[in-house]
Amino acid sequence: EPEVTQTPSHQVTQMGQEVILRCVPISNHLYFYWYRQILGQKVEFLVSFYNNEISEKSEIFDDQFSVERPDGSNFTLKIRSTKLEDSAMYFCASSRQGDYGYTFGSGTRLTVV
Amino acid sequence: KQEVTQIPAALSVPEGENLVLNCSFTDSAIYNLQWFRQDPGKGLTSLLLIQSSQREQTSGRLNASLDKSSGRSTLYIAASQPGDSATYLCAGRRSNDYKLSFGAGTTVTVRA
Repeated sequence: EPEVTQTPSHQVTQMGQEVILRCVPISNHLYFYWYRQILGQKVEFLVSFYNNEISEKSEIFDDQFSVERPDGSNFTLKIRSTKLEDSAMYFCASSRQGDYGYTFGSGTRLTVV
Repeated sequence: KQEVTQIPAALSVPEGENLVLNCSFTDSAIYNLQWFRQDPGKGLTSLLLIQSSQREQTSGRLNASLDKSSGRSTLYIAASQPGDSATYLCAGRRSNDYKLSFGAGTTVTVRA
C-alpha cells in the first residue's frame, strides 16, 4: 500500500528559529495538503497545493508559513520564526484527485521551547 | 463553513459488542465524507470514504452510512475487539473546495 512519508517524526526547536517539515506524497497524487493538530484539539486545515501553487489556505496559514515542492517528489512546510503556539503535530496528506480520499502521513511532532 | 460534530466524545464497551459512532455535519452540500482511525500520538489511517452519491460503504467489520438530508454519518464496527481501541475521526469535504473539516473524534476503549 503506497504511503505518505514525513520526516522528521519529532522536532524540537527554540522559539524564533525556522523549521522545515518534509513530506514525500504518493507518487501519482496531484493534490497535497498540510494539516495540524494541537494537543487535545481538532485536526485543522492549513493549506492545499495543486499544480505548483497554493489552491487554498486557512487563516492560520499567515506569512510565517510557506510551502514548496522543490522537486518531483518532496513537499515541504516552512515555519519562520517559530512561536510556542506552533507546537503541534503536523500532518501531510495527498490525494489523487477530488473524487478520491486523502492519504495522511504519520506526522511530525513539533515542539517549540 | 462545514462544522463537524462527533458524539459521544468517549465510549467504553466490552469485547464483542457492536460499536456505533456518530458524526453530524452542518453543510448538506457535502462532497464526500471520510472516516479515520488515530492511535495515540500517531497519524491518521483512512478507514472508509463515502461519496455524496452513496448511502453506505463496507470494509470487513466496518460499515459507514451517509444521510445528507439529515447531515449525519454513522460508523458501525461489528464484534469489537481490544485492537479496535483508538480515536475515530470523521471528516467532511464540501463540494466547492478540497479541504477536510474534522470532528473532534470519539475515543473508543474495548475492554477484554
